[in-house]
Amino acid sequence: AQSVTQPDIHITVSEGASLELRCNYSYGATPYLFWYVQSPGQGLQLLLKYFSGDTLVQGIKGFEAEFKRSQSSFNLRKPSVHWSDAAEYFCAVGAKGTGFQKLVFGTGTRLLVSP
Amino acid sequence: EPEVTQTPSHQVTQMGQEVILRCVPISNHLYFYWYRQILGQKVEFLVSFYNNEISEKSEIFDDQFSVERPDGSNFTLKIRSTKLEDSAMYFCASSAGTSRNYGYTFGSGTRLTVV
Repeated sequence: AQSVTQPDIHITVSEGASLELRCNYSYGATPYLFWYVQSPGQGLQLLLKYFSGDTLVQGIKGFEAEFKRSQSSFNLRKPSVHWSDAAEYFCAVGAKGTGFQKLVFGTGTRLLVSP
Repeated sequence: EPEVTQTPSHQVTQMGQEVILRCVPISNHLYFYWYRQILGQKVEFLVSFYNNEISEKSEIFDDQFSVERPDGSNFTLKIRSTKLEDSAMYFCASSAGTSRNYGYTFGSGTRLTVV
């Protein structure tokens, strides 16, 4: 069965510092991978997605992620964090159904940004 | 940008009551989903719906749950007799269903509180 592991429950980063959030997945075929961000009490906003092709994916808000098949990873990065980036971040893998995809989510990483 | 719209944003109900959560998916999408997020936990797949029938459901989606597309625009989740453990954020999503034009989009959620 498909699964996603986000090993870091909380991460604290200083404003202006770089960020990397880890995501490892388990899936038998080529995965569809996603990163979502959720602010408190809010919905899920798609940051970026990987389907195929270039393994470095650019997203919104200055985020990027790199797909590494050999490591089964899809880590999210940002070169300089802003206070507004404080939120919960979810990695997800798209599991193929019959012509559709259901998403299997990780448990999330809560990002705290210190002044 | 097209949005998935969910109403209401918050609902409080008494245990044992029926609730209906409503969603308007993106108009040209073909696949519809409900996900659930219990407070502080990860987002979990409940059910997918295509061509007016359930494509797949999780073990969470028991006989107390049902989904319906009553007209050409709405997609509803009904919980027949709510339990305390049904308290959660419920997200609707829709997708185009193809790999390249995936368009998997979530609504902003309905927070259901069962008292």
